[in-house]
Amino acid sequence: QVQLVESGGGVVQPGGSLRLSCAASGFTFSSYGMHWVRQAPGKGLEWVAFIRYDGSNKYYADSVKGRFTISRDNSKNTLYLQMNSLRAEDTAVYYCAKEQYSSSADAFDIWGQGTMVTVSS
Amino acid sequence: AIRMTQSPSSFSASTGDRVTITCRASQGISSYLAWYQQKPGKAPKLLIYAASTLQSGVPSRFSGSGSGTDFTLTISCLQSEDFATYYCQQYYSYPRTFGQGTKLEIK
Repeated sequence: QVQLVESGGGVVQPGGSLRLSCAASGFTFSSYGMHWVRQAPGKGLEWVAFIRYDGSNKYYADSVKGRFTISRDNSKNTLYLQMNSLRAEDTAVYYCAKEQYSSSADAFDIWGQGTMVTVSS
Repeated sequence: AIRMTQSPSSFSASTGDRVTITCRASQGISSYLAWYQQKPGKAPKLLIYAASTLQSGVPSRFSGSGSGTDFTLTISCLQSEDFATYYCQQYYSYPRTFGQGTKLEIK
């Protein structure tokens, strides 16, 4: 079935780095744009980053621009989020999400289960 | 960035009630609006996209309407499994933005 599985979360000190992965299965990964969305404990959803199906276009939230990098490996059906210079306010559950259709603007129809990132000394 | 404002932020209702949640965009977004349901400890689930199109497998008691800046999500007859938090999201432009959420609780 269509599935996204995140991994790579954990506890990291402020200023540290972490790389999240999102393994896709059950659909043609290389045909869809992908997003990262996060949710701080007890808070709402915050969009983080987007990458086009072929990796040619990327967008970031202002809160992570210059610190986070989204990438993908279509040969491995995997999405990544490289997170550098981490701050306490980056503490959240990080979800990867798939765009519903292969067009320019779509809702997110499939979400992973999330991976927790805690930034603390 | 487009600001999405939901109301109310929380709401108490009973099984069988009809409930409406509103979402207002700070600028026009045509019909590029989605609604998601999230239960504690779970990922969000897409309910409605393009403002009024029901996602496959979502019960017909859920409906959406609106365009431009004002949108609504209506649950026609609340079931026990509907008590959750609901978010609207615009996908008209980047950055994608979500409303702050509406927590629907049992009265």
